[in-house]
Amino acid sequence: EAGVAQSPRYKIIEKRQSVAFWCNPISGHATLYWYQQILGQGPKLLIQFQNNGVVDDSQLPKDRFSAERLKGVDSTLKIQPAKLEDSAVYLCASSLVAQETQYFGPGTRLLVL
Amino acid sequence: AQKVTQAQTEISVVEKEDVTLDCVYETRDTTYYLFWYKQPPSGELVFLIRRNSFDEQNEISGRYSWNFQKSTSSFNFTITASQVVDSAVYFCALSEYSGTYKYIFGTGTRLKVLA
Repeated sequence: EAGVAQSPRYKIIEKRQSVAFWCNPISGHATLYWYQQILGQGPKLLIQFQNNGVVDDSQLPKDRFSAERLKGVDSTLKIQPAKLEDSAVYLCASSLVAQETQYFGPGTRLLVL
Repeated sequence: AQKVTQAQTEISVVEKEDVTLDCVYETRDTTYYLFWYKQPPSGELVFLIRRNSFDEQNEISGRYSWNFQKSTSSFNFTITASQVVDSAVYFCALSEYSGTYKYIFGTGTRLKVLA
């Protein structure tokens, strides 16, 4: 069974530029999550989807971050415009349903200069 | 409120030593789930174990074992006869229901196993 796929793996941009990350969850998983992990910290949930609906985006900085999950499968996370403090690893995870185990992708390392 | 505390920031052991990683949690709910994940240098979070709040049996999987004690709100992880490949950051996480189930991660414990 294929795991969670993410791309790109690395991205370097300058502040005020925009960037987008893509995630393909495990087949059949209804719940998809985006996390931000700053160096030396645990992952912090940004947004949670159930199928193609948002169930929690309380920690998403909505002035610059947006996410969508069209057709309840793939998802994209966008940052526009990026700030220096957005430098982090962005992790995507999926689970069969919300209370089940989350499985994580390899992450996208973002560096904002 | 949900909270997960991993007080040990970094632990160094010599290969073949046993090591225990501590995890203390806070929750208001009686139904919740606890998890351990391993994050090797490659960066991907690897699932190790899931425990629900009604199952206090300790679990052993090879060199790994977990001790869940509701009385002390702890879910500790022991690696027996540690190996260099065990070097990683280990995260404890708590999931409880508040509108939906979502994880709260601890800050992680970096384990260094020296040859």
